[in-house]
Amino acid sequence: EVQVVESGGDLVQPGGSLRLSCAASEIDFSNSWMSWVRQAAGGGLEWVAHINHRGNEKYYVDSVKGRFTISRDNGKESLYLQMNSLKVEDTAVYFCARGHYGLDSWGQGTLVTVSS
Amino acid sequence: DIVMTQSPDSLAVSLGERATINCKSSQSVLNSPDNKNYLAWYQQKPGQPLKVLFYWASTRGSGVPDRFSASGSGADFTLTISSLHAEDVAVYYCHQYYATPRTFGQGTKVEIK
Repeated sequence: EVQVVESGGDLVQPGGSLRLSCAASEIDFSNSWMSWVRQAAGGGLEWVAHINHRGNEKYYVDSVKGRFTISRDNGKESLYLQMNSLKVEDTAVYFCARGHYGLDSWGQGTLVTVSS
Repeated sequence: DIVMTQSPDSLAVSLGERATINCKSSQSVLNSPDNKNYLAWYQQKPGQPLKVLFYWASTRGSGVPDRFSASGSGADFTLTISSLHAEDVAVYYCHQYYATPRTFGQGTKVEIK
């Protein structure tokens, strides 16, 4: 059964850091591009970053460039998002999803709240 | 960035009736070399993972009922539910993967009238 499970969301102060994880199974992880997408409360979807199957191609939305880092461990079938210098506007549910051309196999998301 | 604009923002449809959602992109997402439209449609229900309904503008995703159809090319796309079922109440998003950053429409909420 396909499973994508995000974790690591928490309440953090502005300027703080957080590392999100995404554990995947049955999705051919090591051969798949993987993405992070976020959704603010009551809002729409915003693509954050994606990474190729080898981990040597990474792309980010401008608003997180220089602050967020996407990475992966194919041996552990896991995706990560290191978030530094967090801002109030980063508050959202963060989803992990497989894909480069269209996104399938989404997780349920993990909530990141940035507030003092 | 490619801006995706959906219309309407919400619609209420009677059970068994048709629901139509439009999506316009600020530039074409048709890739000439492969003649494919780099567009997907998703369904989001509370408490459930997002589900891909269509990719490449009109290729049905796994397990998507036949009452859902999608069409369009270039910069204009449509998602149609031919006969609304209660379980179709959700928010629907279009998404372009033609360019980075990837972008989504603002979403269309479908409710029962």
